[in-house]
Amino acid sequence: DAGITQSPRYKITETGRQVTLMCHQTWSHSYMFWYRQDLGHGLRLIYYSAAADITDKGEVPDGYVVSRSKTENFPLTLESATRSQTSVYFCASTRRGAGYEQYFGPGTRLTVT
Amino acid sequence: GQQLNQSPQSMFIQEGEDVSMNCTSSSIFNTWLWYKQDPGEGPVLLIALYKAGELTSNGRLTAQFGITRKDSFLNISASIPSDVGIYFCAGPWETSGSRLTFGEGTQLTVNP
Repeated sequence: DAGITQSPRYKITETGRQVTLMCHQTWSHSYMFWYRQDLGHGLRLIYYSAAADITDKGEVPDGYVVSRSKTENFPLTLESATRSQTSVYFCASTRRGAGYEQYFGPGTRLTVT
Repeated sequence: GQQLNQSPQSMFIQEGEDVSMNCTSSSIFNTWLWYKQDPGEGPVLLIALYKAGELTSNGRLTAQFGITRKDSFLNISASIPSDVGIYFCAGPWETSGSRLTFGEGTQLTVNP
């Protein structure tokens, strides 16, 4: 049971480059989420998706793009990376009707130089 | 979204001691969740609370949903070195949907 996986686990990129972080879950959960974690800010929601082809902004969406063509995948793209986007990114999911119990992936540590 | 205040920000304790931490919100919640994050890993759900006054245990961990519905508490009894990590509380972003808002976490260090 793979659960929820993220790739890559570590990424270094340069300012201005496009980078895509992948998230894949094997539970067929309806809801998927992207968070970023920074010191002093805890976990902040970037984007979320209630189902395939349904996405919406979270607390800090600027500079990010998401898509969800399949239930199991929820990629996050930084169209033109900035140093302020250096962070640890977590993907999470939950099934419809499960209340608020979200399950997290292992994270991607992104450094923008 | 709702604002969550989690305290303390950090704790340094000796192995075997009990630990208490809490979380307060600016609004009434109908759900409280507690997560633990080990270094280099994603948060793992420890306990979910759905009813005011509810007391739920998971091994040496006990969490309570405050009567006012604006707070929650997490206790760890007889701490061990593997309890080290960051503990987060979380609650609903809004009255509907599945979004969560998180506290800033309590960093726990356990000295052997």
